Amino acid sequence: NAGVTQTPKFQVLKTGQSMTLQCAQDMNHNSMYWYRQDPGMGLRLIYYSASEGTTDKGEVPNGYNVSRLNKREFSLRLESAAPSQTSVYFCASSDRAVYGYTFGSGTRLTVV
Amino acid sequence: QKEVEQNSGPLSVPEGAIASLNCTYSDRGSQSFFWYRQYSGKSPELIMFIYSNGDKEDGRFTAQLNKASQYVSLLIRDSQPSDSATYLCAAPNFGNEKLTFGTGTRLTIIP
Repeated sequence: NAGVTQTPKFQVLKTGQSMTLQCAQDMNHNSMYWYRQDPGMGLRLIYYSASEGTTDKGEVPNGYNVSRLNKREFSLRLESAAPSQTSVYFCASSDRAVYGYTFGSGTRLTVV
Repeated sequence: QKEVEQNSGPLSVPEGAIASLNCTYSDRGSQSFFWYRQYSGKSPELIMFIYSNGDKEDGRFTAQLNKASQYVSLLIRDSQPSDSATYLCAAPNFGNEKLTFGTGTRLTIIP
């Protein structure tokens, strides 16, 4: 039982490059989330998808786009990476937020 | 005011003692609260959740909720070095669509 799977685990990008972070869950959860975690800032919500076919902005959406490909998969795209996007990115899923989340293992992204 | 605030720490506690972690929240409509543990370089792991006023115990962990004071805490009894981690408090937003996290409290258990 894999839970929430994120790829890649590590990535180094040059400023201006693009990339997509992949996330898949096998728990049949309705909701999926992308957070970033920076020292002293805690976990900040980038985008979320409360159900298949819907996406909504979170606290820090600028510079990112998302796609809820199907119920299992939720991807995060950086169109033109900036050094300010250097962070650890976590994907999470839940049946409903009130039940709590299951997190993926994270992607450590460095933009140089 | 942030929606969820934690005492930022860091907090150092001797092995075998009780560690006390605190969290306040601003949304009176919040109905559930979560404590996650995050080891360095790892993802957050759910360790406790509480919905009702009062105490909830699970092994060495006790979560306490006081809705009138908008306060939730986590007590760790008989602290072990393996409890050294960052502890994150979280609560759902008004529509229960997403969780808001505190910035975390870094706990170190001193052998």
